[in-house]
Amino acid sequence: DIQMTQSPSSLSASVGDRITITCRASRGIGNYLAWFQQTPGKAPKSLIYAASSLQSGVPPRFSGSASGTDFTLTISSLQPEDFATYYCQQYNDYPLTFGGGTKVEIK
Amino acid sequence: EVQLVESGGGLVQPGGSLRLSCAVSGFTFSDHYMDWVRQAPGKGLEWVGRSRHKGYSYTTEYAASVKGRFTISRDDSENSLYLQMNSLKTEDTAVYYCIRDAPDRDGYYFDYWGRGTLVTVSS
Repeated sequence: DIQMTQSPSSLSASVGDRITITCRASRGIGNYLAWFQQTPGKAPKSLIYAASSLQSGVPPRFSGSASGTDFTLTISSLQPEDFATYYCQQYNDYPLTFGGGTKVEIK
Repeated sequence: EVQLVESGGGLVQPGGSLRLSCAVSGFTFSDHYMDWVRQAPGKGLEWVGRSRHKGYSYTTEYAASVKGRFTISRDDSENSLYLQMNSLKTEDTAVYYCIRDAPDRDGYYFDYWGRGTLVTVSS
């Protein structure tokens, strides 16, 4: 199985901050990488696919990038609604696997 | 508007069975792969399985943790996806999400999620 290692597991930040979350795949996944956002009590929401393509309706302050087996999600200027848990997921091979999540909290 | 609405969750005893349904609207269901993903209380996301569309003979894939116990099916005429869960274990307790897929090169990514339905396995 492909292991997805996400870091950090949590971070504290302020409104307006720029933050970066990292996800590392245990082997090459050809940029078949997605990011999701989940707020408490709600279903996950799809943010990014193909490592860097924004889903329709997602604000441009969200961006994704890839370098080999390392992937990053960047939020350029945190907004109050961005405090949530973020997950990466690979869809290159079965079983589809998720990272452990990164909880973004208000400082 | 794309909508996915799960139903059928509830309390079931270990060893029991449950069938989840996902009713969809706002898109052509028969054109899409569909997935189930679950989330145990306070835990992360876990992929359960996938249903391919008619073009791939409705074939399915499953996570090792549910293979042989869970079965995914679909009824394109009813715009519905199903998850038949047998031999349930306490560790199957989770919110189960229905997901629409979209194609990306040779893969399929999740683009729309339902709100989920809670399954509790307990005596």
